[in-house]
Amino acid sequence: NAGVMQNPRHLVRRRGQEARLRCSPMKGHSHVYWYRQLPEEGLKFMVYLQKENIIDESGMPKERFSAEFPKEGPSILRIQQVVRGDSAAYFCASSPRTLAGGTGELFFGEGSRLTVL
Amino acid sequence: GENVEQHPSTLSVQEGDSAVIKCTYSDSASNYFPWYKQELGKGPQLIIDIRSNVGEKKDQRIAVTLNKTAKHFSLHITETQPEDSAVYFCAASGTGNQFYFGTGTSLTVIP
Repeated sequence: NAGVMQNPRHLVRRRGQEARLRCSPMKGHSHVYWYRQLPEEGLKFMVYLQKENIIDESGMPKERFSAEFPKEGPSILRIQQVVRGDSAAYFCASSPRTLAGGTGELFFGEGSRLTVL
Repeated sequence: GENVEQHPSTLSVQEGDSAVIKCTYSDSASNYFPWYKQELGKGPQLIIDIRSNVGEKKDQRIAVTLNKTAKHFSLHITETQPEDSAVYFCAASGTGNQFYFGTGTSLTVIP
């Protein structure tokens, strides 16, 4: 059973360009979470999605960031008009069930490291 | 929302010694507490977890304790080895849709 797959592992963009990060959850997992990790910092929640629905985007910046998890294909985190402050590691995680109530477990991918020049 | 604090931020121990990392949480409704290990350049990996209906859980050299009254939980690693060197994160989960993570502890095991 393959784990959470993220690509690309490394991405370099110039200021103003767009970054697209992809995540395929573990087989059988329909709950996807995106976290951001700044250098030498902890994991900050961004967004929680189920198939075709955004459930909680309370951690996502209001502008330039968007996420989707279509019926077919991977979840995508999209950052438009990137700025240097967007440089970070972006981790996707998946779960077989909701985390509410403390019943779920979260499995992380290896991350996508975005560098904005 | 939940607030998780983690101490220390860095920890160095001699190989064979024990390491203890402590976390506190604020939301009394939290009832699931996982610990993750993150090696350099990799994603966090779940190493052990504990639910609020138990006070302690052990898995070989790793143990976690939970004090619900005081709202704190700890990770204990015994007989540390160089491959235990990594960043460790605690987390708490309860009524919300996410895990709330501590800020991490960078553990170095000195051979």
